[in-house]
Amino acid sequence: DIRMTQSPSSLSASVGDRVSITCRASQNINKCLNWYQQKPGKAPKLLIFAVSSLQSGVPIRFSGSGSETDFTLTISSLQPEDFATYYCQYCQQTYRTPWTFGQGTKVEIK
Amino acid sequence: QVQLVESGGGLVKPGGPLRLSCAASGFTFSDFYMSWIRQAPGKGLEWLSYISSGSANSNYADSVKGRFTISRDNAKNSLYLQVDSLRAEDTAVYYCARAFCADYVCGLDYWGQGTLVTVSS
Repeated sequence: DIRMTQSPSSLSASVGDRVSITCRASQNINKCLNWYQQKPGKAPKLLIFAVSSLQSGVPIRFSGSGSETDFTLTISSLQPEDFATYYCQYCQQTYRTPWTFGQGTKVEIK
Repeated sequence: QVQLVESGGGLVKPGGPLRLSCAASGFTFSDFYMSWIRQAPGKGLEWLSYISSGSANSNYADSVKGRFTISRDNAKNSLYLQVDSLRAEDTAVYYCARAFCADYVCGLDYWGQGTLVTVSS
């Protein structure tokens, strides 16, 4: 099965900072990579679909990039409402493929 | 608007069974893959299972294969998760989510609020 490894596991940043979170897959996953945001006590929210497609309503300061095994979520200018935990997920629509999440990256206020 | 409402959680004894339900509304349920995900207290997200729109295909995380069974009733717009032989480590919030799939990529675009399952004697 494919393993997804995020780094860092946590980071401290200030409002206005540019923040990047990395997700590495254990093998080539092509475009099958999504990003989610989760705030405490809430269900996760899909931010980015298929590497770089921003979901409707998600601010344009969020962007996704990457290919094959290495992917990045970037927040261009961190806002107070962005302090949350972010997860990547491998999610391919084929038989017998687990939809694995990364372990998460907690973005905290510096 | 799309709505997913989980139910069936609560305090259960180790070894017992549990059936979680997810009632869907606001979209054509039979058109979408559906999935279950859980989150243990203070831990990350763990994907558990998905089922295709017509129930022909399903898949499970290795950690729950053989104990968990996903099913759906498109006539009732409902998704289910049968959990057998519950263990303390199954204690978690269980979420159902709708899977939007395009070009062989699926994203979990709508989530329920979650139902808490606590396994304890």
